[in-house]
Amino acid sequence: DTEVTQTPKHLVMGMTNKKSLKCEQHMGHRAMYWYKQKAKKPPELMFVYSYEKLSINESVPSRFSPECPNSSLLNLHLHALQPEDSALYLCASSQAGLVLDEQYFGPGTRLTVT
Amino acid sequence: AQSVTQLGSHVSVSEGALVLLRCNYSSSVPPYLFWYVQYPNQGLQLLLKYTSAATLVKGINGFEAEFKKSETSFHLTKPSAHMSDAAEYFCAVSLRGAQKLVFGQGTRLTINP
Repeated sequence: DTEVTQTPKHLVMGMTNKKSLKCEQHMGHRAMYWYKQKAKKPPELMFVYSYEKLSINESVPSRFSPECPNSSLLNLHLHALQPEDSALYLCASSQAGLVLDEQYFGPGTRLTVT
Repeated sequence: AQSVTQLGSHVSVSEGALVLLRCNYSSSVPPYLFWYVQYPNQGLQLLLKYTSAATLVKGINGFEAEFKKSETSFHLTKPSAHMSDAAEYFCAVSLRGAQKLVFGQGTRLTINP
């Protein structure tokens, strides 16, 4: 199984809502990533978890809160988002977080903030 | 700072023609280089990667890329384009010891019948 799954596929939320994005992999990977991708732009790294510990936070606003409950799951909690946060949110995983490792991407959650 | 530049935000070729997507990197030390493809409404998929083992790297779906240090380039090629190759292609770089990828701006490949 080389699949990274993400739920939901689409999410519309108001600026006062609290929602969560979920990512799951069963490849035994120990590194997981959140990326944000705006339309017609490349993915931008947000967070990296390595062995369930947050190893990289790319100065992401606190309205985005990542969580890694176990080695297979990665969540992104959203609160008080702004319309400019509307984007495709991609999750990825890799074997051990080394730069040589291939990152496997999920299909993404398309988020719209109204 | 490391970065990649993809020349041409949009490339259009005829079916059966050569595909050439250009990527140049800037790095003070030999980097690791990657090409990813993104089909509409999907995540990214790795086509190939350069990790200094060989300068000519073969990937999936008939794609290959050649690392040229003298030109700081890592261009992606495919001898004969297929309609299914239409997608967005991203070149990415990572320095040894770093845990993050830096993506180029992407090149949209269109295949004409």
